[in-house]
Amino acid sequence: EPEVTQTPSHQVTQMGQEVILRCVPISNHLYFYWYRQILGQKVEFLVSFYNNEISEKSEIFDDQFSVERPDGSNFTLKIRSTKLEDSAMYFCASSEGLAGPTDTQYFGPGTRLTVL
Amino acid sequence: KNEVEQSPQNLTAQEGEFITINCSYSVGISALHWLQQHPGGGIVSLFMLSSGKKKHGRLIATINIQEKHSSLHITASHPRDSAVYICAVNSNTGNQFYFGTGTSLTVIP
Repeated sequence: EPEVTQTPSHQVTQMGQEVILRCVPISNHLYFYWYRQILGQKVEFLVSFYNNEISEKSEIFDDQFSVERPDGSNFTLKIRSTKLEDSAMYFCASSEGLAGPTDTQYFGPGTRLTVL
Repeated sequence: KNEVEQSPQNLTAQEGEFITINCSYSVGISALHWLQQHPGGGIVSLFMLSSGKKKHGRLIATINIQEKHSSLHITASHPRDSAVYICAVNSNTGNQFYFGTGTSLTVIP
């Protein structure tokens, strides 16, 4: 069964460093998403991406963050200068998009980011 | 502010019990999602609802748009149902996603 994959599973970085989190969505899906979950807290929406551009973003997704689909398969989240409070689990998801952004989403296993 | 509220926060049940988890939301929505988060952290989509009721195996999800309320029911609960159940909504203004804090369910054999 097709699945969303994410790499790495765990990333440790120093404060101020740039990190890139990678996701491979399901191949025929059109909508892509990034979410984060700080330990012990609820899942938070960061950004949705459709047709090679940002469809929607939350207040959390400030200038520190960017997303890219550099080729036909990868979908990346870049954090330019990491802060301690960026430590969280980051989930990527994708959906077919046939019903627009309300379609069922398929989640990746997550990348745990630790900022020291 | 919490656009999505869930209750209860924690729930312990005996195997075989009927379980109900509630979700209320305060924004206009285009869809509501029920998600399951396993102890290892992985998230699985259970249902996407915009009206009425859906059933999948022992799981039933209902939504009342007028009352801004949804329920997730588990019939004949089993220890493998132990997980965090999360309610999330697509706002109909700008397509933002809002998540509840989740209901942690433990089913005891």
